[in-house]
Amino acid sequence: DVKVTQSSRYLVKRTGEKVFLECVQDMDHENMFWYRQDPGLGLRLIYFSYDVKMKEKGDIPEGYSVSREKKERFSLILESASTNQTSMYLCASSLSASASSYEQYFGPGTRLTVT
Amino acid sequence: SQQGEEDPQALSIQEGENATMNCSYKTSINNLQWYRQNSGRGLVHLILIRSNEREKHSGRLRVTLDTSKKSSSLLITASRAADTASYFCAREHGHLSETSGSRLTFGEGTQLTVNP
Repeated sequence: DVKVTQSSRYLVKRTGEKVFLECVQDMDHENMFWYRQDPGLGLRLIYFSYDVKMKEKGDIPEGYSVSREKKERFSLILESASTNQTSMYLCASSLSASASSYEQYFGPGTRLTVT
Repeated sequence: SQQGEEDPQALSIQEGENATMNCSYKTSINNLQWYRQNSGRGLVHLILIRSNEREKHSGRLRVTLDTSKKSSSLLITASRAADTASYFCAREHGHLSETSGSRLTFGEGTQLTVNP
């Protein structure tokens, strides 16, 4: 079974802090994604990566950056956390376009509160 | 926006009844996927239907796709209390790159409550 793990289930940070959210997948997937989920807004794509050291902006990249130094690990960085970044953060991974299915496998989520 | 609409936003039924959730979208798609999310957890993939398919089954799940109407529906038959969750449709469209998969755009979800 594919396993996607996230470093924390719950996190509380102060405004202005630098925050790192880590995601690791164990199925050698090429693609990795970071979403945030907010009530009434569904899931919104922040950043994605389709290869090591490659990254692309999603729909709401402002205030975030990412790092993918190894294939299995995709990190989301909040350079200076703000209260409007309080949210549920979900990481996902998927196979490349050569696969027959593009289903995404999700981690359990990190609920981040910025005070 | 490429996000569509999911309907209804919330659905409450009795165990044993069928639950139908609908999803509409605005742009062309490669395929459409349905996911389930238990409260406060990550999403789990349920079923994928390709743009050239009209209907697909998986256990108690039945998904239809009407590309002319740009809509899809998820039917859960003989519902159980354990089916209580949020259900999301996700449209796959475009390509991330020449060698990568496509991106998904998620709807806001339908909250299903199955009462025992």
